[in-house]
Amino acid sequence: ETGVTQTPRHLVMGMTNKKSLKCEQHLGHNAMYWYKQSAKKPLELMFVYNFKEQTENNSVPSRFSPECPNSSHLFLHLHTLQPEDSALYLCASSQVGTSGSEKQYFGPGTRLTVT
Amino acid sequence: AQSVTQLGSHVSVSEGALVLLRCNYSSSVPPYLFWYVQYPNQGLQLLLKYTTGATLVKGINGFEAEFKKSETSFHLTKPSAHMSDAAEYFCAVSASGNTPLVFGKGTRLSVIA
Repeated sequence: ETGVTQTPRHLVMGMTNKKSLKCEQHLGHNAMYWYKQSAKKPLELMFVYNFKEQTENNSVPSRFSPECPNSSHLFLHLHTLQPEDSALYLCASSQVGTSGSEKQYFGPGTRLTVT
Repeated sequence: AQSVTQLGSHVSVSEGALVLLRCNYSSSVPPYLFWYVQYPNQGLQLLLKYTTGATLVKGINGFEAEFKKSETSFHLTKPSAHMSDAAEYFCAVSASGNTPLVFGKGTRLSVIA
């Protein structure tokens, strides 16, 4: 479970706060992902970065801002969130373009509560 | 576009009984199919995957799944449930190795002693 790490594991923030979630992968992968996991809903893909470039943004509100400074690190900057943004935020990584099967490795997630 | 339907948000089985978690997919191209498991307070772990070749795929912890193209299904089975199998299970599909996964809503498996 040390291949993909996420910090913090738990975060409580007010709607006016600014915070960042951090993800780091130690697997040498070239793609990283942010997912949102809410109760009773499918995992929602938020952002995809391939080779540090954002290749997908699934209509995510601008109060979520991703940053991928290098292929090992991924951030999710949060500001002026809403209570409905409370969820588990999962980071994942994969090696794209080699075996042709996208096996994603997930981090443990950050449990976010917006008050 | 791809989509996944998992029938039953909660399945309960007795210890030692057969586990069957259902997954149906929709894909306009030959799919890549995955089953992930999520234990409490943890991220997702890959159980098994189907890409090409043999349609019966064996994964970790005694689980297996069979790709049935005619039924657009990829059901997950295990002959004998163990208490440690209690978790949330997610079926996912992608169009190829280079496209993001689309997940189902998940099925929570409870194992009763």
